[in-house]
Amino acid sequence: EAGVAQSPRYKIIEKRQSVAFWCNPISGHATLYWYQQILGQGPKLLIQFQNNGVVDDSQLPKDRFSAERLKGVDSTLKIQPAKLEDSAVYLCASSPHPGTSETQYFGPGTRLLVL
Amino acid sequence: AQKVTQAQTEISVVEKEDVTLDCVYETRDTTYYLFWYKQPPSGELVFLIRRNSFDEQNEISGRYSWNFQKSTSSFNFTITASQVVDSAVYFCALSEAADYKLSFGAGTTVTVRA
Repeated sequence: EAGVAQSPRYKIIEKRQSVAFWCNPISGHATLYWYQQILGQGPKLLIQFQNNGVVDDSQLPKDRFSAERLKGVDSTLKIQPAKLEDSAVYLCASSPHPGTSETQYFGPGTRLLVL
Repeated sequence: AQKVTQAQTEISVVEKEDVTLDCVYETRDTTYYLFWYKQPPSGELVFLIRRNSFDEQNEISGRYSWNFQKSTSSFNFTITASQVVDSAVYFCALSEAADYKLSFGAGTTVTVRA
């Protein structure tokens, strides 16, 4: 079974530029998560989707971050404009069913460096 | 408030030594779930174990073992006879039945030297 796919793996941009990350969850998984992991810290949830609807985006800086999950499958996370403090690894995860504590499976992440 | 505390920032051992990673959690829920994930240098978070609050049995999987003690709110992880491939950052995480969000600790970096 294929795991969670993410691209690109690495991205370097200058501050004030825009960037987008893509995630394809495990086939059949209803719930998709985006996390931000700053160096030396544990991942922090940015947004959670259930199918194509947003369940929780309370930690998403909505003035610059946006995310969508069209058709309830793959998802895109965008930052516009980027700031230096956005430098982090962006992890995507998926789990089979919504509203449960089922295990979340993570992708390899996208390492973003903002100069 | 920090829900998961991993007091050890870094641990360095020589190959074949045992290493124990501490995890202390805080929750008011009676139903909750605890996880351990491994993050090798490649960056992907690899799921190791999931344990619910009603199951306090210790578990062993190969060289890995977990000690869950509700009385001390701890869920410790031991690697027996460590190998270089065990070098990674290990995260403990908590999911509460109230919202099922995963709260991660800050992680413990394990370095196994040959």
